[in-house]
Amino acid sequence: NAGVTQTPKFQVLKTGQSMTLQCAQDMNHNSMYWYRQDPGMGLRLIYYSASEGTTDKGEVPNGYNVSRLNKREFSLRLESAAPSQTSVYFCASRGGHLLAQYFGPGTRLLVL
Amino acid sequence: KQEVTQIPAALSVPEGENLVLNCSFTDSAIYNLQWFRQDPGKGLTSLLLIQSSQREQTSGRLNASLDKSSGRSTLYIAASQPGDSATYLCAVEGGANNLFFGTGTRLTVIP
Repeated sequence: NAGVTQTPKFQVLKTGQSMTLQCAQDMNHNSMYWYRQDPGMGLRLIYYSASEGTTDKGEVPNGYNVSRLNKREFSLRLESAAPSQTSVYFCASRGGHLLAQYFGPGTRLLVL
Repeated sequence: KQEVTQIPAALSVPEGENLVLNCSFTDSAIYNLQWFRQDPGKGLTSLLLIQSSQREQTSGRLNASLDKSSGRSTLYIAASQPGDSATYLCAVEGGANNLFFGTGTRLTVIP
């Protein structure tokens, strides 16, 4: 099992460009999440999907959109990147008998 | 809004010492509390999850406790090793999809 995978690992964008961050999990979990991690702020929830076909806003959704393509895949899109979106983005899925969250390796995004 | 605090922000100990990392939270109405480890430039690895009805969980040299009424959790690491050097994050779940993270304690174990 690969667990949670994310692509790309690193990306540099110019202000105003768009991109999609990809996430996939092979643990058959229903819930998936997107977080951003910034120095001194901890991880903050951007969007989540409790099940295939549903998505909901988290704490910091502005400037982002998401798609739950199927049970395995949950993508995060930046339509018009801004320097404030420079961050490390983590995808996670939730499941197992304890309903723990399992994280991917992260995508480092730099917006110039 | 739930706030999670981890003190100290950084800690250095000599190899072999037992140590305790602290986590406090403001709202005691939680579903569970999870401790993670994060290595530099890497993702988060789940260490222990304590459900709200439990007082502690153990895994190898790690023991996590939870006191909901006082809004505190501790992660005890026995006989620390250089390989334990990492940032340790505490996260509380206040609802089905609301996970609030602390900013972490960066641990360095000196050989």
